[in-house]
Amino acid sequence: KAGVTQTPRYLIKTRGQQVTLSCSPISGHRSVSWYQQTPGQGLQFLFEYFSETQRNKGNFPGRFSGRQFSNSRSEMNVSTLELGDSALYLCASSLVDRGGTDTQYFGPGTRLTVL
Amino acid sequence: GNSVTQMEGPVTLSEEAFLTINCTYTATGYPSLFWYVQYPGEGLQLLLKATKADDKGSNKGFEATYRKETTSFHLEKGSVQVSDSAVYFCALRNTGNQFYFGTGTSLTVIP
Repeated sequence: KAGVTQTPRYLIKTRGQQVTLSCSPISGHRSVSWYQQTPGQGLQFLFEYFSETQRNKGNFPGRFSGRQFSNSRSEMNVSTLELGDSALYLCASSLVDRGGTDTQYFGPGTRLTVL
Repeated sequence: GNSVTQMEGPVTLSEEAFLTINCTYTATGYPSLFWYVQYPGEGLQLLLKATKADDKGSNKGFEATYRKETTSFHLEKGSVQVSDSAVYFCALRNTGNQFYFGTGTSLTVIP
């Protein structure tokens, strides 16, 4: 099975612009989560989508939004970019396994640099 | 609330040394526990997991035991290799299906 894919891998934007990141989960996985990873804050949860509905949300401003399509692919959008939004954005997909545990499988991430 | 605390790095070891990375957690209910590894320039990869108390997760020579009495899930390996150099993250999934990650511990293994 193909793993989680994220596009683009690298992105450079300027302050005030907006950006859309894409994530394709592992085939059959219906849950997609997004994380922001920075050296200072570590891994911070943004939101989770399941069957096209936002199921969980972290503590990020409304500039960060997402959606999920019927094929489980997900997009994340950040509007009015700030310098502090520079980070590695990770997407993870999951499937409830036989033990009833959602194990998350991560993509390689999108490295966003805001100038 | 829910949180994960893991030992701060960086950790530097010689090849074949014994590794322990401490991880403790706070959670309501009975969480599942995970260790993830991140190699340079890559995303996180699941290393091992445990879903209930006293379970031992193991993979690639790494082990961790779910200790409910001490709320811990310490990662151990008997003999590290240069290829184990990476950042290791401890994480929990609570009963609400939310994941919480530790801040990561950087490991460097020198020949």
